[in-house]
Amino acid sequence: GNSVTQMEGPVTLSEEAFLTINCTYTATGYPSLFWYVQYPGEGLQLLLKATKADDKGSNKGFEATYRKETTSFHLEKGSVQVSDSAVYFCALSVSSNDYKLSFGAGTTVTVRA
Amino acid sequence: NAGVTQTPKFQVLKTGQSMTLQCAQDMNHEYMSWYRQDPGMGLRLIHYSVGAGITDQGEVPNGYNVSRSTTEDFPLRLLSAAPSQTSVYFCASSYSNSKSKAGYTFGSGTRLTVV
Repeated sequence: GNSVTQMEGPVTLSEEAFLTINCTYTATGYPSLFWYVQYPGEGLQLLLKATKADDKGSNKGFEATYRKETTSFHLEKGSVQVSDSAVYFCALSVSSNDYKLSFGAGTTVTVRA
Repeated sequence: NAGVTQTPKFQVLKTGQSMTLQCAQDMNHEYMSWYRQDPGMGLRLIHYSVGAGITDQGEVPNGYNVSRSTTEDFPLRLLSAAPSQTSVYFCASSYSNSKSKAGYTFGSGTRLTVV
């Protein structure tokens, strides 16, 4: 089956620190990969995506590269801000079932001033 | 504003009561889904629909019913609420396969407590 494993949190950082959240996946076929972000009290928002191997998704200073050889899609940001405090979810969808998203457990990130 | 609208935002039920969580989208998306979010478990798919009149089960369908009579609406019914159904529920919608790489649009959630 399809599954996503992401690093457990919580993660606490100081402002301007470097953030990495690891995500690995197991999937049949050729999945599309996503990072979603959930700010406190809100629903999930798409942060970035990649649809094929070696694609790099980027948005708001965050980046993630689709690595087929290591089945990974790690999220990185070079300099975090307090406003980046949120829960981050890695997710995938397999091309034959695009309407089904499989999510990781989520990683809570807290950035302190 | 265009998007996915969920009501209510908060609800407390007694064990055995029934209720319907409402979800509506105005983006003409074909696909709609219901997820529940529980601590340490991410989001799990309850039911989904690929178009009006078509629904199917996800990972955790027991205790829930859905219907899709229109493209816009996808209500989730709890038949007889149990404490195990205490969770945050999210509705999400998306275009069909060829466009779904843009990802889902999520509602803001319904926080349900069953006592």
